[in-house]
Amino acid sequence: EVQLVQSGAEVKKPGESLKISCEASGYRFSDYWIGWVRQMPGKGLEWMGIIYPGDSDTKYSPAFQGRVIISADKSINTVYVQWSRLKASDTATYFCASAPLGHCSGGLCYEIWGQGTTVTVS
Amino acid sequence: DIQMTQSPSSVSASVGDSVTITCRASQDISIWLAWYQQKPGKAPKLLIYAASALHTGVPSRFSGSGSGTDFTLAINGLQPEDFATYYCQQAHRFPLTFGGGTKVEIK
Repeated sequence: EVQLVQSGAEVKKPGESLKISCEASGYRFSDYWIGWVRQMPGKGLEWMGIIYPGDSDTKYSPAFQGRVIISADKSINTVYVQWSRLKASDTATYFCASAPLGHCSGGLCYEIWGQGTTVTVS
Repeated sequence: DIQMTQSPSSVSASVGDSVTITCRASQDISIWLAWYQQKPGKAPKLLIYAASALHTGVPSRFSGSGSGTDFTLAINGLQPEDFATYYCQQAHRFPLTFGGGTKVEIK
């Protein structure tokens, strides 16, 4: 089964660091972009950035550039997003998403999604 | 960045009704538009890609149209499971951007 499974909910204090994960299975991990999307409580979807696990090529939304780092570990089919100093405004649910089924090339739309990781900073 | 404007922000409808949601891009994105459905507490699901192509497993009551800057998602014959929030997303270039969402509520 093609799927993305994300790490569990986190509760952190402002100023702390955090790294959440997204593990892919059921397809060739290195060949498909994986993106991250933020959803703040009661709000819409915001694209954060994307990584190509094959060579770790990464692109960020200007709104998130410098605030987060997206990385990948091909040995365990996992991508990450990390923060060095969390703020209360980082409280949100974060989704990873990919397109290994062939309808969305270049990571430009998303066929499969992780279940979401809720991060609470307080 | 390409701005995506969706309307309406919410719509009330009954089972069996037809609903149309529009999405406008701030510049020409050709056919590179996707539509997603999201239910509370769940991840979004892809409905339509390339403006009008139905994703695998999506019921035929959903349809998409448009090109350039103006796009439409239509739901013909709303079913109880269709009450959700719908988002458009431009798939033309990075950074990807989403519309603000349209909540389809039960009348």
